[in-house]
Amino acid sequence: QVQLVQSGAEVKKPGASVKVSCKASGYTFTGYYIHWVRQAPGQGLEWMGWINPNSGGTNFAQQFQGRVTMTRDTSISTAYMELSRLRSDDTAVYYCARDRSNNNCFDPWGQGTLVTVSS
Amino acid sequence: DIQMTQSPSSLSASVGDRVTITCQASQDISNYLNWYQQKPGKAPKLLIYDASNLETGVPSRFSGSGSGTDFTFTISSLQPEDIATYYCQQYDNLPPGWVTFGGGTKVEIK
Repeated sequence: QVQLVQSGAEVKKPGASVKVSCKASGYTFTGYYIHWVRQAPGQGLEWMGWINPNSGGTNFAQQFQGRVTMTRDTSISTAYMELSRLRSDDTAVYYCARDRSNNNCFDPWGQGTLVTVSS
Repeated sequence: DIQMTQSPSSLSASVGDRVTITCQASQDISNYLNWYQQKPGKAPKLLIYDASNLETGVPSRFSGSGSGTDFTFTISSLQPEDIATYYCQQYDNLPPGWVTFGGGTKVEIK
């Protein structure tokens, strides 16, 4: 079945960077965009951007431009999201999600990765 | 940027009640709107796509309607397993484009 499995929880200090992985299985990895969405504790969903696993092309929400990098390794069907210059308000669960038909329908989602930023 | 105003932010209803959630866009988004369900501690799940299409395997008590700026999500008969937070999501008509989520509606049993 189609599945996305993310890397484990991270604890980082302010100013550091974090890199979260998202390993895909059960489908052709290069055929579907991967989106990243985050959710701060007790808050709603915030879209961060997407990567086209085929071309490596990316598109980011304005509030993350300059701090976020999205990459992929097609040999292992894995997408990565790296966020730099971390602040305490970056503490959140980070999700990857497959774009089901490359039309902005997210299905399925990864299980989420908790990133805690604390000094 | 397109803003999505979702209401109410929370509601309490009895089992069997009809539940309605609305989402209003700051400008015309045609039918470029999806609805997701998120249960506590879990990732969101796609329920409705393109405003009114039921995702495969989703119970028929869930439905969506609307176009332009005003959208409605309905649970025709609330069940205990429907306790969750529901989010609308708008998107650009680009393959793919920009995405914005509504603020969410927490549904509880009275």
